Amino acid sequence: QSALTQPASVSGSPGQSITISCTGTSSDVGAYNYVSWYQQHAGKAPKLMIYRVSNRPSGASSRFSGSKSGNTASLTISGLQAEDEADYYCSSYTSNRTLVFGPGTKVTVL
Amino acid sequence: QVQLQESGPGLVKPSQTLSLTCTVSGGSVSSGGYYWSWIRQHPGKGLEWIGYIYYSGSTYYNPSLKSRITISLDTSKNQFSLKVTSVNAADTAVYYCARGRFYDNWFDPWGQGTLVTVSS
Repeated sequence: QSALTQPASVSGSPGQSITISCTGTSSDVGAYNYVSWYQQHAGKAPKLMIYRVSNRPSGASSRFSGSKSGNTASLTISGLQAEDEADYYCSSYTSNRTLVFGPGTKVTVL
Repeated sequence: QVQLQESGPGLVKPSQTLSLTCTVSGGSVSSGGYYWSWIRQHPGKGLEWIGYIYYSGSTYYNPSLKSRITISLDTSKNQFSLKVTSVNAADTAVYYCARGRFYDNWFDPWGQGTLVTVSS
């Protein structure tokens, strides 16, 4: 069982915005600004989309943004496109000096 | 552009040792600043960080796996490796190698992953 909680699925129509939540505790998400998000298409390796809560690496679309409030981090995808259909995982550094991942959220583009 | 590629047996018998190698191209495992890591994904499940090795050779493992894990570095071949001892069915997973900054909690890029099945 993951230490982080994510919704199992989120869906939206092309062009819409969707938000995926990632809820942890005061020992992980709430304690550090070391939250990252990964996109994983079926059968592929994860791809880094957001690091340090809201930073976007080169190669990640500007339609992806991250934020955090308290023990919950969020990933927002704006202008949803068919290519965004994938699984999304959040991750946080923890006070136990380890890393934890969420169970993943399946994004469906209607 | 840094690329990583995992290699190793796809089938391991219970109680034996799982051994995988990650070959790095377009960059050097000897360069400072990066933590060369192993992460696995159980079939249909989420991700689990296994451990890392730094260019200096220092290692750090997930406490839940620590007793069975060894990660090593071969700078002459620009590779790093993973060994998991006394495997069982719960170790069946896709194993990824990745470059990252552990204490900033990000990994990029990742290898394509290799499925290891533990079965007799």
